[in-house]
Amino acid sequence: AQKITQTQPGMFVQEKEAVTLDCTYDTSDPSYGLFWYKQPSSGEMIFLIYQGSYDQQNATEGRYSLNFQKARKSANLVISASQLGDSAMYFCAIENSGGSNYKLTFGKGTLLTVNP
Amino acid sequence: NAGVTQTPKFRVLKTGQSMTLLCAQDMNHEYMYWYRQDPGMGLRLIHYSVGEGTTAKGEVPDGYNVSRLKKQNFLLGLESAAPSQTSVYFCASSSPLSGHPYEQYFGPGTRLTVT
Repeated sequence: AQKITQTQPGMFVQEKEAVTLDCTYDTSDPSYGLFWYKQPSSGEMIFLIYQGSYDQQNATEGRYSLNFQKARKSANLVISASQLGDSAMYFCAIENSGGSNYKLTFGKGTLLTVNP
Repeated sequence: NAGVTQTPKFRVLKTGQSMTLLCAQDMNHEYMYWYRQDPGMGLRLIHYSVGEGTTAKGEVPDGYNVSRLKKQNFLLGLESAAPSQTSVYFCASSSPLSGHPYEQYFGPGTRLTVT
């Protein structure tokens, strides 16, 4: 069974500063993918970034980057130059690429608040 | 291109009533999923489907049934609603052949309250 642990229920950051949201995972599968989703107060789930277990480089998407440390089984999300609109819940999820159904297992999320 | 849509957006049920949530996607995705989101619990997979006519159980399937009679639709049924099924329900779809590898596209959610 796969598991995602997000140890920070809430985080605060000042506008324009960088913030790191932690995510550790547990899986016995050699091939997997890691996702981060954002859920603003309006409720929709927004895909942010993806990291494959065999990717040689850390993923980046604009202001989002993923600090992927495979040996430590961690996939922390780094948001640079935080904006007020970044205030939201952030979910880390793992997907078993080795299977055929691409199910996601989500963590419990981190609530990020960006202060002006 | 509407993406993933869910009907209804809100619903209040009395204990023991039944209802069906409809999910529709226009992206020709093979895979579809139903999740529930409860405070402090993240999203948990209820049932999923890897193709028309096929369904499988997820992490929390008890009390729910699903059907995938058409590729674009995935129905979630509650035969006898219980207060423990009060939650926000999300539908998602994906295809290994489109977009980001295995990215799931989510609907806007259905907020269900069972009294």
